[in-house]
Amino acid sequence: DTEVTQTPKHLVMGMTNKKSLKCEQHMGHRAMYWYKQKAKKPPELMFVYSYEKLSINESVPSRFSPECPNSSLLNLHLHALQPEDSALYLCASSQGLSSRDTEAFFGQGTRLTVV
Amino acid sequence: GESVGLHLPTLSVQEGDNSIINCAYSNSASDYFIWYKQESGKGPQFIIDIRSNMDKRQGQRVTVLLNKTVKHLSLQIAATQPGDSAVYFCAENIGEYGNKLVFGAGTILRVKS
Repeated sequence: DTEVTQTPKHLVMGMTNKKSLKCEQHMGHRAMYWYKQKAKKPPELMFVYSYEKLSINESVPSRFSPECPNSSLLNLHLHALQPEDSALYLCASSQGLSSRDTEAFFGQGTRLTVV
Repeated sequence: GESVGLHLPTLSVQEGDNSIINCAYSNSASDYFIWYKQESGKGPQFIIDIRSNMDKRQGQRVTVLLNKTVKHLSLQIAATQPGDSAVYFCAENIGEYGNKLVFGAGTILRVKS
């Protein structure tokens, strides 16, 4: 199983809503990531979790709150978002941070629209 | 800051021809590079990787070349097929303590039948 599964595939939310994006992998990977991708742009790193601990936060606004309940799951809690936060949110996982030269596997993403 | 960039935003090739997609990187300490393919509405898909102790690596119909002297990376696709049409990103691992993948701007590859 080399899949990273993200739910939901599409999400429309108002600026006062609270929602969560979910990500799951069963490859035994110990590093998980959230990326944000705007149209016609490359993915931009938001957060990195290593062994269920937050290791990198790329100065992401607090209206995005990541959570790693266990080694297979990664959530991104959303609250009070702005229309400019509309984007494709990608989850990825890789073997672990003990070895830097391992590729990251990406999910299909959640297409988020903030209205 | 450090960045990874691409020279050509769009590349159009005839089906059956070879494609070459280029990428420049600026972090001389980077030691691992990946090429990803992203089709419309999908997440990036791993194509091939290369470590800095190599200058060439081959996969099935794809070859990655690394020139550390000029900090340049390229992806060669042999006998390009319509299914190869996508956006291609190079990515550089710049994490001091682990995986921190930074993506280049991307190149759109269009294959004409």
